[in-house]
Amino acid sequence: AQTVTQSQPEMSVQEAETVTLSCTYDTSESDYYLFWYKQPPSRQMILVIRQEAYKQQNATENRFSVNFQKAAKSFSLKISDSQLGDAAMYFCAYRDYTGANSKLTFGKGITLSVRP
Amino acid sequence: KAGVTQTPRYLIKTRGQQVTLSCSPISGHRSVSWYQQTPGQGLQFLFEYFSETQRNKGNFPGRFSGRQFSNSRSEMNVSTLELGDSALYLCASSQGRGRTGELFFGEGSRLTVL
Repeated sequence: AQTVTQSQPEMSVQEAETVTLSCTYDTSESDYYLFWYKQPPSRQMILVIRQEAYKQQNATENRFSVNFQKAAKSFSLKISDSQLGDAAMYFCAYRDYTGANSKLTFGKGITLSVRP
Repeated sequence: KAGVTQTPRYLIKTRGQQVTLSCSPISGHRSVSWYQQTPGQGLQFLFEYFSETQRNKGNFPGRFSGRQFSNSRSEMNVSTLELGDSALYLCASSQGRGRTGELFFGEGSRLTVL
């Protein structure tokens, strides 16, 4: 079974600084998706960034980028120029690639606080 | 386009009762998944429905059930409630096939069991 591990329960960053959130996973599959989701205090989960395992290039979305190391099964999220609105819980998630399966396996999450 | 809508947002039940939660997916989405979120266990997959058929199920007891209607709306039911069922229940919808893969979540239904 696939597992996702986020070992840091909390992190804090100064506004405008850069922070990296760590995630490791375990799978025997070669083709899969990895995601970072953000859950603000209002609770609605929002997709931050997505990486497909067959793509070697790291995904980037504005201030958010990932460091995807397939051999090491590592998938970290870098947030640049942190803003107060980035404060939230962040979940790393895994999904097999099959057209008939939308199941996500989540890590425990990390609470990010942003200091003004 | 309207997002994923879950009702009710908050509810309080007592042990032994049953509860039904509703989820309306994004228009055009045929897959609906349910997750239970608790501080101790995190986010756990309950089940997924696609075109009115359950195509994946998590490791939950039979007290947890669900269904999907022809308009893709989904309900989940928990019977004989236990204190440990107190949680945030999240619904997510997606197109359900292909490599697009993105799930869109609702705001959740907060269930408290007394």
